Amino acid sequence: QSALAQPASVSGSPGQSITISCTGTSSDVGAFSYVTWYQQHPGKVPKLIIYDVSGRPSGVSNRFSGSKSGDTASLTISGLQPEDEADYYCSSYTGTHTYVFGTGTKVTVL
Amino acid sequence: VRLVESGGGVVQPGRSLRVSCAASGFSFTSHTMHWVRQAPGKGLEWVAVISYDGINKYYADSVKGRFTISSISRDSSTNTLYLQMNSLRPEDTAVYFCARATTIADGAGLDYWGQGTLVAVSS
Repeated sequence: QSALAQPASVSGSPGQSITISCTGTSSDVGAFSYVTWYQQHPGKVPKLIIYDVSGRPSGVSNRFSGSKSGDTASLTISGLQPEDEADYYCSSYTGTHTYVFGTGTKVTVL
Repeated sequence: VRLVESGGGVVQPGRSLRVSCAASGFSFTSHTMHWVRQAPGKGLEWVAVISYDGINKYYADSVKGRFTISSISRDSSTNTLYLQMNSLRPEDTAVYFCARATTIADGAGLDYWGQGTLVAVSS
């Protein structure tokens, strides 16, 4: 149950697009379409923004999109806005009824 | 939907503590429930999950054999989730969140989270 690997930080200017990677193994990310993404602002609770690799819950901006290729999932934020500055975590089902989170990525809007 | 954790505090290494999560506005029978923790200044760590019927329980390797997840449903709208933590270690220090999965299916995302309760393990 090693944490999924994410870049520690990603930055971009307002209006730009950024992509956060989430690398696992053939036992978790690569094996299932159960990758989720959460956004967490400082001092706040996590918010579900992507489920099942690319599903978007009602109310979540369509500027957030998810994808997966092999053992790596990705979250893309298009049209970056100041309110997108937060920590982002991926998570995957592991197949043994357990789950694993990513190491987290701090997004900075320049 | 409302999730409210309680029971956190300071505890000595090796001791036990039980944290609770009062859930309202939905039925446990339609959702799996999870505990997730976050050490101060660190990332999220999945801890445990319990099935919609309270029968199946699974744990992270880091807490297996020491922590027990359980739930009680008094009626369709008032439910309580528990995490019994034994043999606590300093590395268990974290804010403990309860979270609701969107469905009973494996892999479902967590759509509602409580505000968390802080557990500090220190002598």
